Amino acid sequence: GDSVTQMEGPVTLSEEACLTINCTYTATGYPSLFWYVQYPGEGLQLLLKATKADDKGSNKGFEATYRKETTSFHLEKGSVQVSDSAVYFCALTRSSGYSTLTFGKGTMLLVSP
Amino acid sequence: DVKVTQSSRYLVKRTGEKVFLECVQDMDHENMFWYRQDPGLGLRLIYFSYDVKMKEKGDIPEGYSVSREKKERFSLILESASTNQTSMYLCASAFREANVLTFGAGSRLTVL
Repeated sequence: GDSVTQMEGPVTLSEEACLTINCTYTATGYPSLFWYVQYPGEGLQLLLKATKADDKGSNKGFEATYRKETTSFHLEKGSVQVSDSAVYFCALTRSSGYSTLTFGKGTMLLVSP
Repeated sequence: DVKVTQSSRYLVKRTGEKVFLECVQDMDHENMFWYRQDPGLGLRLIYFSYDVKMKEKGDIPEGYSVSREKKERFSLILESASTNQTSMYLCASAFREANVLTFGAGSRLTVL
């Protein structure tokens, strides 16, 4: 079945450091790929998405490129801020057609001043 | 803004009690979902609904049931709560043809 694997955390960085959170997937067909973010005490919110190969999603300085050849969708940011501290989830749509998502286990990011 | 409201942020129940978790969305979304979030396991789909009175099992439906009597409301029911159902429960909704989910803030359930 469909699955998402993302790097384990926590990832601990100093402010202004570069961020990469790895995400790879296994899926049939051509899924859409997503990054969701969960700030402390809140529900998940969509950060960015890509719907086909070579698409780049971007938002709030974060970006990720849909790489079909490596089945990857790594999240990157050039300079993180303390306010980026959160849990990040990589996800893909299933092939069932009901917009159900399969999520990775989440990666906690901690940014210190 | 789409709002998904979960009625209880924190609940404490005893083993064997019947538990209702309520979720309401205000944007006329056809699809609604219940996920469970546990550390190290991420989010796992319990049930979803694509229309009023319709429901589909997700990955971990055992011990849960759902009810969707109105389009805007999707309830998760634990018929007889057990300690292994202590978790964060997240409700979400989406338009039928869309694949972007809007989540509620979550309901943290502790079963003693």
